[in-house]
Amino acid sequence: GESVGLHLPTLSVQEGDNSIINCAYSNSASDYFIWYKQESGKGPQFIIDIRSNMDKRQGQRVTVLLNKTVKHLSLQIAATQPGDSAVYFCAEKADSWGKLQFGAGTQVVVTP
Amino acid sequence: KAGVTQTPRYLIKTRGQQVTLSCSPISGHRSVSWYQQTPGQGLQFLFEYFSETQRNKGNFPGRFSGRQFSNSRSEMNVSTLELGDSALYLCASSTGTGLFSYTFGSGTRLTVV
Repeated sequence: GESVGLHLPTLSVQEGDNSIINCAYSNSASDYFIWYKQESGKGPQFIIDIRSNMDKRQGQRVTVLLNKTVKHLSLQIAATQPGDSAVYFCAEKADSWGKLQFGAGTQVVVTP
Repeated sequence: KAGVTQTPRYLIKTRGQQVTLSCSPISGHRSVSWYQQTPGQGLQFLFEYFSETQRNKGNFPGRFSGRQFSNSRSEMNVSTLELGDSALYLCASSTGTGLFSYTFGSGTRLTVV
């Protein structure tokens, strides 16, 4: 039968605008969250992380917000640039070891 | 410092064959995790090795196995390849203790024909 791939949601954003990418995580016991960026032909690249004892963390042009009440994570990218075009994944870690649970990803397309 | 190195970058195999993929972590990192990435299932955790011991395993059949050497380099093996094993196989390196983050390699693209 025909295989059905994951339908990646797409966020189209104009260059210079701010982007917000959302992620719902599954495990209320998760204590560490990471955002990754993946460009075509490359492995996921670390963007920013946050621990469950925080609700906001800022990096260079990026901010991650964590809402544990509704198990929601968001990534804000300020002044989006063409180089920000990629697939963005959130990941959660719920145990003491190395397993990460990844979300399906969001395709970000930056238009001039 | 050098990043995570995965070899080979591309591989084409025939159904029924077996394959071995290699991952060299960042120097000083003792944990190597393996992930399978497909359009249908996204990124799925395979297993994690720390100091030569498997300490976590995902929900994959026994055809998928791995090992880690004393220098922290890791290999994963897939036996009796199926068409559905075609995927990008990624490894992630971390210290494996404390507050650790993960650095991914560029992956090995496996195509099974």
